[in-house]
Amino acid sequence: DAKTTQPPSMDCAEGRAANLPCNHSTISGNEYVYWYRQIHSQGPQYIIHGLKNNETNEMASLIITEDRKSSTLILPHATLRDTAVYYCIVRVALRWTGTASKLTFGTGTRLQVTL
Amino acid sequence: ETGVTQSPTHLIKTRGQQVTLRCSSQSGHNTVSWYQQALGQGPQFIFQYYREEENGRGNFPPRFSGLQFPNYSSELNVNALELDDSALYLCASSSGQNSNEKLFFGSGTQLSVL
Repeated sequence: DAKTTQPPSMDCAEGRAANLPCNHSTISGNEYVYWYRQIHSQGPQYIIHGLKNNETNEMASLIITEDRKSSTLILPHATLRDTAVYYCIVRVALRWTGTASKLTFGTGTRLQVTL
Repeated sequence: ETGVTQSPTHLIKTRGQQVTLRCSSQSGHNTVSWYQQALGQGPQFIFQYYREEENGRGNFPPRFSGLQFPNYSSELNVNALELDDSALYLCASSSGQNSNEKLFFGSGTQLSVL
């Protein structure tokens, strides 16, 4: 029941910006967009999240369109260690609880950073 | 390092057996979620515990059950194991159940059912 669509794979040259797109056209007004990455069957690593506004932290920037139907994760200077599967996730409320929610993962984008 | 620890790291069981997986949440976190990740797939939500109560569940049968203890650590129990239960089981903790709270994942337990 993933609510996101991502390209299955992307390549990026080391030192260049990696721009990972994500479509979430059915997102609801109070649902957050989260990005995680996973390196070779380790636990997913939190990158960034946002609701409406663009966000930036030490790892990445998140650009969310005004209609909230899509977003882009930007890694400003990709390194070989950024090679991973990147998941764009909509955090969905659990209906029978007041505030509980879950992360709905899709199959992600496999980013390969090359020399 | 996220401060979320899971044990054991690997486990091999046979069909029909029962298994218990353990998770210690990050200090100060009162919410724990469990996810199942089959090979080549994204993690799928199993259930969530908040202050020792289950407050959300995904599409998993009742033979998947859990506990959260007063120190907010957690267990995942799976009865009557099936071959399709072979997967990486991930625990994640957060400081609350608000949608704005980040989840921090452990490294997982790789379960193989033969």
